[in-house]
Amino acid sequence: AQSVTQPDIHITVSEGASLELRCNYSYGATPYLFWYVQSPGQGLQLLLKYFSGDTLVQGIKGFEAEFKRSQSSFNLRKPSVHWSDAAEYFCAVGMKTSYDKVIFGPGTSLSVIP
Amino acid sequence: DSGVTQTPKHLITATGQRVTLRCSPRSGDLSVYWYQQSLDQGLQFLIQYYNGEERAKGNILERFSAQQFPDLHSELNLSSLELGDSALYFCASSTPGYEQYFGPGTRLTVT
Repeated sequence: AQSVTQPDIHITVSEGASLELRCNYSYGATPYLFWYVQSPGQGLQLLLKYFSGDTLVQGIKGFEAEFKRSQSSFNLRKPSVHWSDAAEYFCAVGMKTSYDKVIFGPGTSLSVIP
Repeated sequence: DSGVTQTPKHLITATGQRVTLRCSPRSGDLSVYWYQQSLDQGLQFLIQYYNGEERAKGNILERFSAQQFPDLHSELNLSSLELGDSALYFCASSTPGYEQYFGPGTRLTVT
């Protein structure tokens, strides 16, 4: 069965430090891949997406992610974290089936120390 | 602003009652998805509609139902409410094959 794992439930980084959030998926074909961010009490906002082509994708707010097929991973990175980046981050995997099925990971909560 | 609207923003009701949550998708999106988010269950997919027809079902209880109308807005009906139904309910919309855009959510509190 298809699944998405985010190994880190909670991460704390200092402002200005680099960030990498991990995402692994289980799926037989090449999926569509997404990262969403959710601030407290808010809806989910799309950060970036991968459908095909260049495996390094750029998103909003200075985030990027790299698709590594051999590792079934789609890790999210940011070179310098800002205090406003504190939020919940969700990795999601989309599959082209008879309908557009998307599975969300459990999320990683990011805290930023000023 | 994602372009997806949800009403109401907050809803407080008693156990055993029935409520209706409303969602208007982004202009041009034919697919609507409903999700439930609670602290212990995370983000759970409930149901998807595409152009008025049910497309997929997830972890939706029999007490819950949804529909999508000809103008593409959707409603999620929750009945015989229990304390455990307290959660954030999100609607998302998409064009097939593309990313989902989420609304701001409805926070349901069952007392």
